[in-house]
Amino acid sequence: SYELTQPPSVSVSPGQTARITCSGDALPDLYAHWYQQKPGQAPLLVIYKDTARPSGIPERFSGSSSGTTVTLTISGVQAEDEAEYYCQSADSSGTYVVFGGGTKLTVL
Amino acid sequence: QVQLQESGPGLVKPSETLSLTCTVSGGSISTYYWSWIRQPPGKGLEWIGYIYYSGNTNYNPSLKSRVTISLDTSKNQFSLRLSSVTAADTAVYYCTRVATGGSGWFYFDSWGQGTLVTVSS
Repeated sequence: SYELTQPPSVSVSPGQTARITCSGDALPDLYAHWYQQKPGQAPLLVIYKDTARPSGIPERFSGSSSGTTVTLTISGVQAEDEAEYYCQSADSSGTYVVFGGGTKLTVL
Repeated sequence: QVQLQESGPGLVKPSETLSLTCTVSGGSISTYYWSWIRQPPGKGLEWIGYIYYSGNTNYNPSLKSRVTISLDTSKNQFSLRLSSVTAADTAVYYCTRVATGGSGWFYFDSWGQGTLVTVSS
């Protein structure tokens, strides 16, 4: 079955830039989306269609795409950004939804 | 702003059927796709399936034989039924609204708070 691969964890100090990657063979042809999930809360959409930011999401969140890898970048990380981040796309046929395994962002 | 709220039993016995309902407020259930996603304790997100207001459905192949998603436009609700449950189906279940434009992209722009369903005798 199709998979999206994320690093299990990323750590950064406050004010630095965090980059979380998501890899999948079909990503050159399909959009990816990103969700932030804090403990005990539902996921929150932070980036959609590779690079678009929903209203209300801070400008420090951005997305990019290159080949088989998409990247969520958080510039000037704040303590409140500590959370689990999930990428999501579709399988190679574009039919079924697929989530990455999640990346735990730790703000040191 | 649309809001979603899950409801249903928090405890289901093995081999029985899990049934949950999502009530949508602040917007009509028509004209959008709606989906269920689950998250086992301490684990990642798993898409279960979605339904369009027309009644068309699409399910995760790994769950397809056990899943039914339906909707009731008169009540602005949609529902999940998962049959023959086991302990592996213990999870927080989320209902969501789906944004899609065709061409193989879907994302989830509004989420319910989630409800924990435990499968145990």
